Amino acid sequence: GENVEQHPSTLSVQEGDSAVIKCTYSDSASNYFPWYKQELGKRPQLIIDIRSNVGEKKDQRIAVTLNKTAKHFSLHITETQPEDSAVYFCAASSHYIIQGAQKLVFGQGTRLTINP
Amino acid sequence: DARVTQTPRHKVTEMGQEVTMRCQPILGHNTVFWYRQTMMQGLELLAYFRNRAPLDDSGMPKDRFSAEMPDATLATLKIQPSEPRDSAVYFCASGLVLLAGGPSSTDTQYFGPGTRLTVL
Repeated sequence: GENVEQHPSTLSVQEGDSAVIKCTYSDSASNYFPWYKQELGKRPQLIIDIRSNVGEKKDQRIAVTLNKTAKHFSLHITETQPEDSAVYFCAASSHYIIQGAQKLVFGQGTRLTINP
Repeated sequence: DARVTQTPRHKVTEMGQEVTMRCQPILGHNTVFWYRQTMMQGLELLAYFRNRAPLDDSGMPKDRFSAEMPDATLATLKIQPSEPRDSAVYFCASGLVLLAGGPSSTDTQYFGPGTRLTVL
């Protein structure tokens, strides 16, 4: 089955600097890669996702890149702000071909701290 | 702003007791996922329903866990008997997947607020 590795487990950056979180996956058939942000005591919330037919996607200060050959994808946050502090999870999907939904396998999470 | 709801938000129980967690998916969604989150194991998929039918429960301990979807607006996860190692946050997520695709179909899973379970 799919296995997702996420690095680093903790990341501390100065406000205004960029943060990069990296994930690798094992199943070359995976085709959907979402990123979730989870604040303390809250639910995971989707912040951006990318599909295997796209190499990069941007949404304001966040971007995700995908390298299918190397089987890794990364989250980039620019101009970080204190409210970016949270745990970020990457995920990769093993698509249920028949049933039509994405079976997500999550990375272990990265605790991002933005220092003022 | 439609959201997935879960009850109870917190549950403290003693070992051996039955625990039932409930989830109300977003109206109109046809897929429901149950996840368990712990510090050690992270987010793990327990079960998946599509159109109320259980399609994958390979991540769920079968001897004590059961998941059902009695109607389109309610999904339940039951643990009987509960054990201390079951202590975790249990999340429900829902989505809309149409096999024919189209603009309404999405891979996005929307998470509920979770049930924090403590088994003493």
